[in-house]
Amino acid sequence: AQKITQTQPGMFVQEKEAVTLDCTYDTSDQSYGLFWYKQPSSGEMIFLIYQGSYDEQNATEGRYSLNFQKARKSANLVISASQLGDSAMYFCAMREGPYGNNRLAFGKGNQVVVIP
Amino acid sequence: EPEVTQTPSHQVTQMGQEVILRCVPISNHLYFYWYRQILGQKVEFLVSFYNNEISEKSEIFDDQFSVERPDGSNFTLKIRSTKLEDSAMYFCASSEVPVGGYYEQYFGPGTRLTVT
Repeated sequence: AQKITQTQPGMFVQEKEAVTLDCTYDTSDQSYGLFWYKQPSSGEMIFLIYQGSYDEQNATEGRYSLNFQKARKSANLVISASQLGDSAMYFCAMREGPYGNNRLAFGKGNQVVVIP
Repeated sequence: EPEVTQTPSHQVTQMGQEVILRCVPISNHLYFYWYRQILGQKVEFLVSFYNNEISEKSEIFDDQFSVERPDGSNFTLKIRSTKLEDSAMYFCASSEVPVGGYYEQYFGPGTRLTVT
C-alpha cells in the first residue's frame, strides 16, 4: 500500500509566487517523521525540511514551510517567493516508528517548473 | 560543508557482470543507506547499515546485493550478477545516530547504473 501519496500533476508557477505541494501519508505509528527533498535535473537529492509527528509547530526553513495537519495526515510543502532555481522534482518522504527504524518511504514526487 | 560522495557517477555494465558502487559517507555519521531510483519513478529504500551490520533491508535487497564497509571511510554496494532491471540511479546516504527521533539523511549525488 502507498505510504506517501503525491498526486498533483506537473505544476507551472510564476516567479515570486508561492506554490503548495500536496503530500498525504498513511501510518498507524504514533512516532514518525516527514521530510521533503528537492531533486533538480542534475539528479542529486537535497534535504529541505523536516517535521516530527510530535512537533506542535509547523516546520519552517527559509522560504520553505511545512503545513502539517496531523488529523488529515497531510504534510504539504509551501515554497514562498518562487525562484527559477526552484524548478525541480520535489519528494515527500516518511520515516515510521521509533528512531531505530531508519528507512525512508518516498512518494512519486511533484514536478515544479518556475517561469519568469 | 561536509558531503556524501559517490563514485563512479555513471557505470555501464553488461548483464551478468558484477558491479561495485562506492560511497564515502560524512565522516562522523554512523548510519549508512542505499536507495535506488529507476528512471522516472520514486526513490526506493534498499538497505541501512549500522555498527558494521545490516540494520534493515527491503524486499528489493535480495541475495544479489551485498553491502560492506571495507575500511573506515568507504561504504560499498555490490550487485553480483546484474540484470537489465537493475538499471537505476543508486543513492548513498548517511546520518548521525538519531537523537530524540530527529536526524537528517544526507544524500550523495548518485551513481547512474546502466545495464546493457
